[in-house]
Amino acid sequence: DGGITQSPKYLFRKEGQNVTLSCEQNLNHDAMYWYRQDPGQGLRLIYYSQIVNDFQKGDIAEGYSVSREKKESFPLTVTSAQKNPTAFYLCASSPWDDRLNTEAFFGQGTRLTVV
Amino acid sequence: AQSVTQPDIHITVSEGASLELRCNYSYGATPYLFWYVQSPGQGLQLLLKYFSGDTLVQGIKGFEAEFKRSQSSFNLRKPSVHWSDAAEYFCAVGDPPGKLIFGQGTTLQVKP
Repeated sequence: DGGITQSPKYLFRKEGQNVTLSCEQNLNHDAMYWYRQDPGQGLRLIYYSQIVNDFQKGDIAEGYSVSREKKESFPLTVTSAQKNPTAFYLCASSPWDDRLNTEAFFGQGTRLTVV
Repeated sequence: AQSVTQPDIHITVSEGASLELRCNYSYGATPYLFWYVQSPGQGLQLLLKYFSGDTLVQGIKGFEAEFKRSQSSFNLRKPSVHWSDAAEYFCAVGDPPGKLIFGQGTTLQVKP
């Protein structure tokens, strides 16, 4: 089945440590995205990538880094510089061409807790 | 600035009653509009989308939404709510389809 796989589902991190969240898709989508969800704030865009080896900052990129070495994969690293990393992180993918009248598909999310 | 507002943070309806969730947006061009639903601890599932054409769009699970350009609104409706509809609902605008601006979400509670 085609879809987006995020792992792990739950992640615990000590303060001061970097941690990497995995996102893999087999939908053959060009574009991938990372969103952060906090209670009462909806979802906010962290980073997105239109194509392999290229990515752009979203609205809240500070303290995060990404890479896009393969079309299928878009890992997110939460660095120690992120002041408040505890949140629910969602990965998504879509075609980049908006003329296709399609939508973004989301993974099941990773809940990160800093302890 | 581009933004999406969902005025109702929490709504409670009785099972079988009708439902309307409000969404207002501010966007420079003709937006692509979406409604997503999220169960606790899960990802987002698309309910419906509007790109162009007929301003009344039908979605999954019996939901529909109407795009009103003059009011900058894209309200979600369902004629008869089921207990399984209890979830959080997000309105979003995007161009391209994955680069989304979300509203704050509306939590729907369904009373038996």
